[in-house]
Amino acid sequence: EAQVTQNPRYLITVTGKKLTVTCSQNMNHEYMSWYRQDPGLGLRQIYYSMNVEVTDKGDVPEGYKVSRKEKRNFPLILESPSPNQTSLYFCASSFSPGDGYTFGSGTRLTVV
Amino acid sequence: GEDVEQSLFLSVREGDSSVINCTYTDSSSTYLYWYKQEPGAGLQLLTYIFSNMDMKQDQRLTVLLNKKDKHLSLRIADTQTGDSAIYFCAENTNAGKSTFGDGTTLTVKP
Repeated sequence: EAQVTQNPRYLITVTGKKLTVTCSQNMNHEYMSWYRQDPGLGLRQIYYSMNVEVTDKGDVPEGYKVSRKEKRNFPLILESPSPNQTSLYFCASSFSPGDGYTFGSGTRLTVV
Repeated sequence: GEDVEQSLFLSVREGDSSVINCTYTDSSSTYLYWYKQEPGAGLQLLTYIFSNMDMKQDQRLTVLLNKKDKHLSLRIADTQTGDSAIYFCAENTNAGKSTFGDGTTLTVKP
């Protein structure tokens, strides 16, 4: 089944403890992207990638890192999480911008 | 920077048409989309339109684009209770940078 898989689905962590949210797609898509969704703020793009080893900042990149070493994977790294990074995170992928993004099921992160 | 705005709520009766409106500011946007999000789920791409098009129809969905006014609308004909969800307007550049609106919550009353 063609899909975008994020792990974990739910995560509670403490301030300052490094974490990684994984994202993998099996559709051979070139483009991948991370978003966070907060009440009243819609979806905001954190980072996006056009291809392997090519990443760009979105609207809210502060406090996050990404890497694109292989086409299928696009992990989101929080080196030192803070409570204001508590949010619902979505990974998405696309073959081309014109196709629109296919979204994962989301990761609900709580930083205490 | 880029901005996408939508009204927050819309309520319609089952069987009526729904029209969800969106305005955007980035004139370089090449692609414009409508996504649907049901409770507890990710976003699902409903339809899209290229910036050089005026209209696109796909079964019960009609997308209208007024490029001069930077206005996008989604019309859902014969709205059903299963259409109740949050609808997001979004724009993309060729590089994959995307901007989403805050979403319109559509409530369909029986």
